[in-house]
Amino acid sequence: AQKVTQAQTEISVVEKEDVTLDCVYETRDTTYYLFWYKQPPSGELVFLIRRNSFDEQNEISGRYSWNFQKSTSSFNFTITASQVVDSAVYFCALSEALAAGNKLTFGGGTRVLVKP
Amino acid sequence: GAGVSQSPSNKVTEKGKDVELRCDPISGHTALYWYRQSLGQGLEFLIYFQGNSAPDKSGLPSDRFSAERTGGSVSTLTIQRTQQEDSAVYLCASSPPTSGNTIYFGEGSWLTVV
Repeated sequence: AQKVTQAQTEISVVEKEDVTLDCVYETRDTTYYLFWYKQPPSGELVFLIRRNSFDEQNEISGRYSWNFQKSTSSFNFTITASQVVDSAVYFCALSEALAAGNKLTFGGGTRVLVKP
Repeated sequence: GAGVSQSPSNKVTEKGKDVELRCDPISGHTALYWYRQSLGQGLEFLIYFQGNSAPDKSGLPSDRFSAERTGGSVSTLTIQRTQQEDSAVYLCASSPPTSGNTIYFGEGSWLTVV
């Protein structure tokens, strides 16, 4: 069965510091998809990125970057020069291609608090 | 609307009463999901609908929980004889049918059972 682990439950940083969120996953499928979602205080889960298992290129989007390493089953997320608006809970998730329904398995989430 | 729409956004109900939560998915999305987010339990899958196929109910916690999707669009999640442990945020999501597609979430329905 698939599993996603986010070992950090809460991270507190001062504005402009970088912060890296760890995500480690387990799956038996060779084809799978990894996601990051942001949940601000309003409660909605906001999609950030999707990565399939065959694409190990790192990706950068503005202040966000993602490091996918298949060898260590990790998909880490870095916020560079953090801002107060980055304060939220961040979830890593996995879906398996062979599993019916494209269901997501979520990690426990990491709460990021950015202080001014 | 452009996104997944859920109602009510907040619901307080007395223990033992039934509640209905509604979800209107993104237009054109054939897949619809219900998840539950509660303290200490994280995000749990409840049920999944895909087109006209039989729903995947494997995540429903008890027979007090049921869901239907009429006309392949709007879905209703019903909780009968609510208990205090049902208090949670119920999140609806939708996606195109192909495996690996991004799943988009609504803002959730906050349920409090008193």
